[in-house]
Amino acid sequence: AQSVAQPEDQVNVAEGNPLTVKCTYSVSGNPYLFWYVQYPNRGLQFLLKYITGDNLVKGSYGFEAEFNKSQTSFHLKKPSALVSDSALYFCAVRDRHGSSNTGKLIFGQGTTLQVKP
Amino acid sequence: DTEVTQTPKHLVMGMTNKKSLKCEQHMGHRAMYWYKQKAKKPPELMFVYSYEKLSINESVPSRFSPECPNSSLLNLHLHALQPEDSALYLCASSPLARAANKETQYFGPGTRLLVL
Repeated sequence: AQSVAQPEDQVNVAEGNPLTVKCTYSVSGNPYLFWYVQYPNRGLQFLLKYITGDNLVKGSYGFEAEFNKSQTSFHLKKPSALVSDSALYFCAVRDRHGSSNTGKLIFGQGTTLQVKP
Repeated sequence: DTEVTQTPKHLVMGMTNKKSLKCEQHMGHRAMYWYKQKAKKPPELMFVYSYEKLSINESVPSRFSPECPNSSLLNLHLHALQPEDSALYLCASSPLARAANKETQYFGPGTRLLVL
């Protein structure tokens, strides 16, 4: 079974410092990995995804993620955190139904990012 | 434009009421999804429609009844809900692209449901 794990319930970082939100995965075959962000009382916003190709993926709002096959990780990073980045972050892997692209997203438990001024 | 809209934003209903949640997208996406999310937890998939046909039902109780009238609209009909069904209900859509790198789910803002 495919799964993702986010080992930290909360990450605290000072504004201007780099941030990392961790995600590890367990899949059979090549993983399709995603990061989403959820601001309070809002839906999920897509940040970035890794399907194939370059291990460093760039996304929205200055975020990037590094795919590491040997460590089965897909950590989310940003060089300089903003207070407005404070939110709930979800890593997800897409489960595949046979050859179809209709698949459920399997989410990690989420990590709350707190950026303090 | 990657917008998925949902109405209403908030809904309060009694356990004997019948209500419906509505979701709409105009991106030409051919897959639409309903998720349920409890506070500070990940979304849980409920239903998936592909080309307007129900393709996945994650063993959801029959008091939740999905409907896909056309490729842009997705409804979730609610009847005889329980207080534990109170949650944020999220709709999502995706293109059902042949190329895996083009397949991304986009979420609406959700309907916050309170069952009294």
